[in-house]
Amino acid sequence: EPEVTQTPSHQVTQMGQEVILRCVPISNHLYFYWYRQILGQKVEFLVSFYNNEISEKSEIFDDQFSVERPDGSNFTLKIRSTKLEDSAMYFCASSQTGQSYSEQYFGPGTRLTVT
Amino acid sequence: EDQVTQSPEALRLQEGESSSLNCSYTVSGLRGLFWYRQDPGKGPEFLFTLYSAGEEKEKERLKATLTKKESFLHITAPKPEDSATYLCAHLLASNTGKLIFGQGTTLQVKP
Repeated sequence: EPEVTQTPSHQVTQMGQEVILRCVPISNHLYFYWYRQILGQKVEFLVSFYNNEISEKSEIFDDQFSVERPDGSNFTLKIRSTKLEDSAMYFCASSQTGQSYSEQYFGPGTRLTVT
Repeated sequence: EDQVTQSPEALRLQEGESSSLNCSYTVSGLRGLFWYRQDPGKGPEFLFTLYSAGEEKEKERLKATLTKKESFLHITAPKPEDSATYLCAHLLASNTGKLIFGQGTTLQVKP
């Protein structure tokens, strides 16, 4: 069964450093997403991406964040200068479309710890 | 503001004791209601999507229903392996795929 994969599973970084989180969405999906979940809190939408462009982004997704689809299979989230409050689980998801009949499938997550 | 509220926050059941989880929402332009299961330290696992009031979907011991203001996840004769956090999420009308999640209900089923 196709699944979304993410690497690394755990990333530890120092405040101010750049990190890149990687995702391989399901192969025939066209919409890609990043969500995050701070420990004990809700899953929060960060950004949606379609046709090599950001479709929508949240207030959390400021200039320190960027997304890229560098090739036909990978989807990345970059945080340029990490802050302590960026510590969270980051989930990648994908769907065939952005409309109501298209389920979003989530990856296992990357736990980011900023020290 | 679009909001999704789940209740109860936590639920303890004995094996075989049926119950229901609630997801209520104040969302404009609802396009779909999703239920996910999340195990500790893992990503949300897709369970169901509901699109219109009156719709019902079933999978093993789980049944999801939808009204105009809320959704229920009914768990019939639960087993310990059903222990997890159950999340509901709303797909907004923007067609960008943005999901708004509730805070989840953590279910513990004791043998």
